[in-house]
Amino acid sequence: AQSVTQPDIHITVSEGASLELRCNYSYGATPYLFWYVQSPGQGLQLLLKYFSGDTLVQGIKGFEAEFKRSQSSFNLRKPSVHWSDAAEYFCAVGARGGGNKLTFGTGTQLKVEL
Amino acid sequence: KAGVTQTPRYLIKTRGQQVTLSCSPISGHRSVSWYQQTPGQGLQFLFEYFSETQRNKGNFPGRFSGRQFSNSRSEMNVSTLELGDSALYLCASSPSGQGTSNEQFFGPGTRLTVL
Repeated sequence: AQSVTQPDIHITVSEGASLELRCNYSYGATPYLFWYVQSPGQGLQLLLKYFSGDTLVQGIKGFEAEFKRSQSSFNLRKPSVHWSDAAEYFCAVGARGGGNKLTFGTGTQLKVEL
Repeated sequence: KAGVTQTPRYLIKTRGQQVTLSCSPISGHRSVSWYQQTPGQGLQFLFEYFSETQRNKGNFPGRFSGRQFSNSRSEMNVSTLELGDSALYLCASSPSGQGTSNEQFFGPGTRLTVL
């Protein structure tokens, strides 16, 4: 069975500082990997995805993530955080073939200090 | 294109009642998935429908059911509501056809409160 671990429940960074959110997954083969963001009272917005190919993927809002097969990781990064980035971030893994079923991590709540 | 829409946005029910939630996917998307989000359990997959057939199912009791119509709109039903069913229910749609990606687009959710 697939699983996702986000070790950091809360992270606080200063505006303008760099950000890295950690994500480790467990899956028997190369999975589909996603990062979503959720603002209070809202649904989930897709930031970026990895399906295959280049292991460094670019997303919206200046985010990027790197797939590292050897470490089973898919960490999300942003070089300079803006106050509007404060939200909850979810890493998710999907199985190849057999439809759409995402397994989510528990999320990381990001607070941005001005 | 319009995004995924869910109705109603908020719902209050009492224990023992049943509830039906509705989801309209993005035009052209054939797959609709449902997720439950609670503070304690996080985001959990309920089920997925594709071309009116349930394609995947999560680990939820039979009180949770769903269906999909020929226009890809989907409904989920929860019977005999329990306090623990209070949650944000999210619907996601995906193109999910030959040659398309499996990325899912989420609606704003329906906030269900069971009293």
